Amino acid sequence: EVQLVESGGGLVQPGRSLKLSCVASGFTFSNYGMNWIRQAPGKGLEWVAYISSGSSYIYYAETVKGRFTISRDNAKNTLYLQMTSLRSEDTALYYCARRDYPGTPYYYVMDAWGQGASVTVSS
Amino acid sequence: DIVMTQSPTSMSISVGDRVTMNCKASQNVGSNVDWYQQKTGQSPKLLIYKASNRYTGVPDRFTGSGSGTDFTFTISNMQAEDLAVYYCMQSNSYPPTFGGGTKLELK
Repeated sequence: EVQLVESGGGLVQPGRSLKLSCVASGFTFSNYGMNWIRQAPGKGLEWVAYISSGSSYIYYAETVKGRFTISRDNAKNTLYLQMTSLRSEDTALYYCARRDYPGTPYYYVMDAWGQGASVTVSS
Repeated sequence: DIVMTQSPTSMSISVGDRVTMNCKASQNVGSNVDWYQQKTGQSPKLLIYKASNRYTGVPDRFTGSGSGTDFTFTISNMQAEDLAVYYCMQSNSYPPTFGGGTKLELK
């Protein structure tokens, strides 16, 4: 069974840093690209960042570029999101999600999601 | 960024109803739209990919259609377990962007 388990969330003051982790199991983690998506309380979904299976390709949302860093350790089956210079608007539930190919050429989906790690930025 | 606009934002429905919701892209995204279901307190679940393809294990009462800028998601025979918020998402270009969601509530 595919499982993604996020951790590392919490309450942090504005301007401080926090690092989220997402531990994967039930599949060969090193074969898959991974995403972070967030959801502010009572709001919709916002894609945050993507990293390819071998870390060669990395993309960020403009709202976090320069402040957040996505990385992965394939030996540890773990995805990370280092968040710095946190702002109140970064308060959200952060999901990691696997990128997979459903069988349609050159098309990808986010087919498995974790339960999320809650980040609250407040003084 | 491509803006995805969903309508309506909420719907009051009854079990057995046929439910249709829409998603409009701010520019042509081809067929590169997915639909996700998010139940209260749960993470999103992929239902439809590339506009009209049902993902593995998804019941056939869920269908999607559309291309270009206009997309439709339909539940043919609403079940109580389908109460959720439904999101469209374009994957035609980075960054992937989601619609604001359509919330289904019981009448």
